[in-house]
Amino acid sequence: KAGVTQTPRYLIKTRGQQVTLSCSPISGHRSVSWYQQTPGQGLQFLFEYFSETQRNKGNFPGRFSGRQFSNSRSEMNVSTLELGDSALYLCASSLYGGRKETQYFGPGTRLLVL
Amino acid sequence: ILNVEQSPQSLHVQEGDSTNFTCSFPSSNFYALHWYRWETAKSPEALFVMTLNGDEKKKGRISATLNTKEGYSYLYIKGSQPEDSATYLCACDGSGNTGKLIFGQGTTLQVKP
Repeated sequence: KAGVTQTPRYLIKTRGQQVTLSCSPISGHRSVSWYQQTPGQGLQFLFEYFSETQRNKGNFPGRFSGRQFSNSRSEMNVSTLELGDSALYLCASSLYGGRKETQYFGPGTRLLVL
Repeated sequence: ILNVEQSPQSLHVQEGDSTNFTCSFPSSNFYALHWYRWETAKSPEALFVMTLNGDEKKKGRISATLNTKEGYSYLYIKGSQPEDSATYLCACDGSGNTGKLIFGQGTTLQVKP
């Protein structure tokens, strides 16, 4: 099976712009979770989608949003970019997003905000 | 708030050395403990999911143990090789919710040939 893919891999934006990141899960996986990693911080949970519904959300401002399509592909959007949004954004997929399930990660999208 | 801590933050060993590091987590409301290996420029790779007190898991030269009563897990690498150089992450399932892992800061291992 193909792994989790993320596009684009690298992105440079300026403050105030918005950005959309894409994640394609492993075939058959219906849950997609998003994480942010900034320098000095561990992976921080952003949100999780299952069957096109956001089931869980981390402690991030409303500028961070996402959606999931019927084929389980997910997008994440950040509006009004700030310098502090520069980070590695990872998505992970699992069958159902249940506890004790392994999440399989993509390679990430590295976002630089200037 | 679930807080997962890992120690040490970084580790430098010689090829052939055995090493271990620790993941600490709150023992209440425990569901599962996940270990990942994350090599530079690659995706985090799942190593183990552990759920029961006393669990021991093994994958090649890497093994892990779990103590849910006292809230810790150890990861052991026997006879470290340069290809073991990576950041090792542990994570717990977020309480009450789905699809959410709470990660520690990681332990970065550097194995010198």
